[in-house]
Amino acid sequence: GEDVEQSLFLSVREGDSSVINCTYTDSSSTYLYWYKQEPGAGLQLLTYIFSNMDMKQDQRLTVLLNKKDKHLSLRIADTQTGDSAIYFCAERLGGGSYIPTFGRGTSLIVHP
Amino acid sequence: EADIYQTPRYLVIGTGKKITLECSQTMGHDKMYWYQQDPGMELHLIHYSYGVNSTEKGDLSSESTVSRIRTEHFPLTLESARPSHTSQYLCASSGGQGQETQYFGPGTRLLVL
Repeated sequence: GEDVEQSLFLSVREGDSSVINCTYTDSSSTYLYWYKQEPGAGLQLLTYIFSNMDMKQDQRLTVLLNKKDKHLSLRIADTQTGDSAIYFCAERLGGGSYIPTFGRGTSLIVHP
Repeated sequence: EADIYQTPRYLVIGTGKKITLECSQTMGHDKMYWYQQDPGMELHLIHYSYGVNSTEKGDLSSESTVSRIRTEHFPLTLESARPSHTSQYLCASSGGQGQETQYFGPGTRLLVL
């Protein structure tokens, strides 16, 4: 079965880089996602990566995928207080599977 | 930017009342989903639909019901609200091939007294 694990909390100083980690169990996962959730809001899609990619960069965000270890990470460069939120990792199989499996979310706290 | 809307955003209601949470999307997505999420906690899929007149229960048992009469609309109904239903309800949608990514609405925060 599918399972997605994330650490629950991460605290960083403003201006530093944040790295949020995620592990998944299903080697058939084809799509891997990062969502951001601010307090009282829905989930906002940040980025996603296909399983045939190792890395994807989008401005301050860098996603790294290690398929061998089934490990996904999200790096946020120059972390700002506005980045404080809960970050959800999710995996989805391909081939007609539409429902992703979400991790429990990592709460990122950015302090001055 | 996702075009998926939920109303109301906040609702406080007494025990025993019937409530309907609205969700609409203008992206033409055929698939829609309802998740329940306690504050700061994981998401639980409670209902989903792969098209008009198609609805399925999700992983988490829920006393709510859903309907899908129109592609763009996926309302969730609680016939008799209870304090245990207090939670945040998130609606999401996704499309067909090449558009399978889920997009979420802003959520409805429900408090049942």
